[in-house]
Amino acid sequence: ILNVEQSPQSLHVQEGDSTNFTCSFPSSNFYALHWYRWETAKSPEALFVMTLNGDEKKKGRISATLNTKEGYSYLYIKGSQPEDSATYLCAPSNTGNQFYFGTGTSLTVIP
Amino acid sequence: DVKVTQSSRYLVKRTGEKVFLECVQDMDHENMFWYRQDPGLGLRLIYFSYDVKMKEKGDIPEGYSVSREKKERFSLILESASTNQTSMYLCASSVPGTRSGYTFGSGTRLTVV
Repeated sequence: ILNVEQSPQSLHVQEGDSTNFTCSFPSSNFYALHWYRWETAKSPEALFVMTLNGDEKKKGRISATLNTKEGYSYLYIKGSQPEDSATYLCAPSNTGNQFYFGTGTSLTVIP
Repeated sequence: DVKVTQSSRYLVKRTGEKVFLECVQDMDHENMFWYRQDPGLGLRLIYFSYDVKMKEKGDIPEGYSVSREKKERFSLILESASTNQTSMYLCASSVPGTRSGYTFGSGTRLTVV
């Protein structure tokens, strides 16, 4: 089992604010890391997959970075909108077939 | 466009009942997984399967069993439901190798009374 920590556990921001979350994981035997967005009553949706130290990925107003040497990833949301309200899950893996999920960061964007 | 289908969105069962949660995927994925999600605990792996008729215990298999008779279907079985199995259950599928990520179903909210 990988010990995956996400912080903060929950976050409330005003519409238009930018925000970021952290995912920490053991740096040894790193293989890949995924970020998912999970909106209420929907399936978790894949946002990014990152594999290399220094990877940066961007999708619209959302971006992510990866540091495999120190074992962390940041997710950034620029200019938060109410539709960004969701739980954001990170999932690193140290093998070829199984992820270990963090407890998630619950984001609420207040209009 | 639904790729991973869980048979029920909400389910209420009585303590001691045998409960079947069904998951079907149409992407020809080899790997299938069952997770439960509880507040503050994140997604915890119950069982997974890498192929038909194969199954592996995850982190919390106690009180559960699974069946994979066909590639597209992975069933989670609660042999005798208990109140501590009240939870959100998520099914996922993937191709081999974690670079591809999972495709999730929309979840089954099970309440055991």
